[in-house]
Amino acid sequence: DIQMTQSPSSLSASVGDRVTITCQASQDISNFLNWYQQKPGKAPKFLIYDASDLETGVPSRFSGSGSGTHFTFTISNLQPEDVATYYCQQYHNLPLTFGGGTKVEIK
Amino acid sequence: QVQLVQSGGGVVQPGMSLRLSCAASGFTFSSYGMHWVRQAPGKGLEWVSQIPFDGSNQYYADSVQGRFTISRDNSENTLFLQLNSLRVEDTAVYYCAKDQVRRKTGALDIWGQGAMVTVSS
Repeated sequence: DIQMTQSPSSLSASVGDRVTITCQASQDISNFLNWYQQKPGKAPKFLIYDASDLETGVPSRFSGSGSGTHFTFTISNLQPEDVATYYCQQYHNLPLTFGGGTKVEIK
Repeated sequence: QVQLVQSGGGVVQPGMSLRLSCAASGFTFSSYGMHWVRQAPGKGLEWVSQIPFDGSNQYYADSVQGRFTISRDNSENTLFLQLNSLRVEDTAVYYCAKDQVRRKTGALDIWGQGAMVTVSS
């Protein structure tokens, strides 16, 4: 199985800050990497696919990059509504595997 | 609009069974692969199972292989997960989710609201 290592596990930043989360795969997954946002008590929301493509309707302050084994997710202008846990997920092959999550809070 | 509405879930004793359902609307259900993903209380996301658009195969996480069965009824636009021989460690919120595209499984663009399964004696 492909292991996904996400860091940090939590972070606190101010409104307007730039926030970056990293995700490392245990083997080359090309660009088969997604990012999800999950707010407390809610289902995950699909944000980014193929490492860097923004899902329709997702604000442009969210972005992703990377390929192979190293990926990053960025919120360029943190907003109060971005408080959530963010997960990376590989879909290079089954079983699908997720990173451990990054909890983003407002300072 | 495109949505997945889940039903089922509940509290059961270890060794018992449960069936989850996921009703799809707003898209051509028979054209997309579907998944189940679970989340134990306070924990991260764990993929459970996948079924292609035509139900021709089923794939499972090792943790549920032989105990859970995924199926679909394309005439009723509904996905199912039969959970047998339940264990305490199966306690979680179970989500159904849709593949974004048919050509490559695993980008989950639409999720159900979740169903809580509690296994306790």
